[in-house]
Amino acid sequence: QSALTQPASVSGSPGQSITISCTGTSSDVGSYNLVSWYQQHPGKAPKLMIYEGSKRPSGVSNRFSGSKSGNTASLTISGLQAEDEADYYCCSYAGSSTVFGGGTKLTVL
Amino acid sequence: QVTLKESGPVLVKPTETLTLTCTVSGFSLSNARMGVSWIRQPPGKALEWLAHIFSNDEKSYSTSLKSRLTISKDTSKSQVVLTMTNMDPVDTATYYCARFITVTTWRYFDLWGRGTLVTVSS
Repeated sequence: QSALTQPASVSGSPGQSITISCTGTSSDVGSYNLVSWYQQHPGKAPKLMIYEGSKRPSGVSNRFSGSKSGNTASLTISGLQAEDEADYYCCSYAGSSTVFGGGTKLTVL
Repeated sequence: QVTLKESGPVLVKPTETLTLTCTVSGFSLSNARMGVSWIRQPPGKALEWLAHIFSNDEKSYSTSLKSRLTISKDTSKSQVVLTMTNMDPVDTATYYCARFITVTTWRYFDLWGRGTLVTVSS
């Protein structure tokens, strides 16, 4: 199972919006509405931010949103804040297995 | 409070077998809506899923590592154990256990342990 493809890095200024893409195949992202997104600050464990494509867990800011089109899922963060600077990983069900993306480093300028 | 905590050796030698334990609290490993997974992250690199175990003891493994991995659970002790054979320096990583939510299939990881760094070196 190959890793999902994410851009290595994205950046934005405070208050702006950014979008991180996550490209898979018809065997994973394209076939299931089971993409989740995780935020990871340095030295910390990942934290669930979006599940089942577009749902937000309790306590996660509504500045975070998820979507999917075909084999590509996306995470959008609006109103960027300094605390959003972190690594972000997508993850998808792939039929009896689970696959992560390569991760995207978000820099808040 | 729901928590997961990884434990195991900090250092293993090449060719040895690694045994890691995930001790959970605040939920039962017999809960049909939940399961536990192991995920690892080499220093500076991406997350890599290793294995799942469901409440009914169904297991699934990463295709690339399947021959080296065994996941098991002891519900009475609230523990999930991962063994990985024939360790190599490239297996140096932080190993996480995480709870996942399931209906009929894995759906997402909702809670993670803090992770444990395992170094493979002679």
